[in-house]
Amino acid sequence: DIQMTQSPSSLSASVGDRVTITCRASQYISNYLNWYQQKPGKAPNLLIYAASSLQSGVPSRFSGSGSETDFTLTISSLQPEDFATYYCQQSYSTPRTFGQGTKVEIK
Amino acid sequence: QVQLQESGPGLVKPSQTLSLTCTVSGASINRGSYYWSWIRQPAGKGLEWIGRIYTGGSTDYNPSLKSRVTISVDTSKSQFSLKLSSVTAADTAVYFCARDEEVGFGESFFDYWGQGTLVTVSS
Repeated sequence: DIQMTQSPSSLSASVGDRVTITCRASQYISNYLNWYQQKPGKAPNLLIYAASSLQSGVPSRFSGSGSETDFTLTISSLQPEDFATYYCQQSYSTPRTFGQGTKVEIK
Repeated sequence: QVQLQESGPGLVKPSQTLSLTCTVSGASINRGSYYWSWIRQPAGKGLEWIGRIYTGGSTDYNPSLKSRVTISVDTSKSQFSLKLSSVTAADTAVYFCARDEEVGFGESFFDYWGQGTLVTVSS
């Protein structure tokens, strides 16, 4: 199985801050990396697919980058509705695997 | 608008079989390059992919659960189902169904999800 490791596990930030979350794969996954946002009691919501493609309807303050094993999710200006947990997920092979999550909290 | 809805018992006894169904609306379950997946999340923890089915019937399962999992599809009812046998307390989780859109090799993502259903394993 491909292991996905996110950092940090949690962070505190203020509205308007630039936030960066990283995800590292245990082996090469090309650009087959997706990002999801999950709020308490809700299903995850797709933000970014194929490392850098913005899902329809997702605000442009979200962006993704990276390839091979190292990836980044950036929120350019954190908004109140962005406080949530973020997960990366690889689609290079089965079983599909997720990172452990990064919780973004209000400072 | 594509919608998925999980249904099934919220309480299952240890050693029994967990059975859930996902009903798909707003899209044809047997059209397009879609797999239909099950994913679970224990309380306060991360996401675990259980497995998926293509409408032609082919399946992929997580090796960690493969010996206990069966995923099936009923296209006439626009539903797909999960059976997990010999459950223990470790199988207590919120279970999500999701559409897995496969654009090309490796490029796939979960674009629509059900709201999730909590299944508790307890006597």
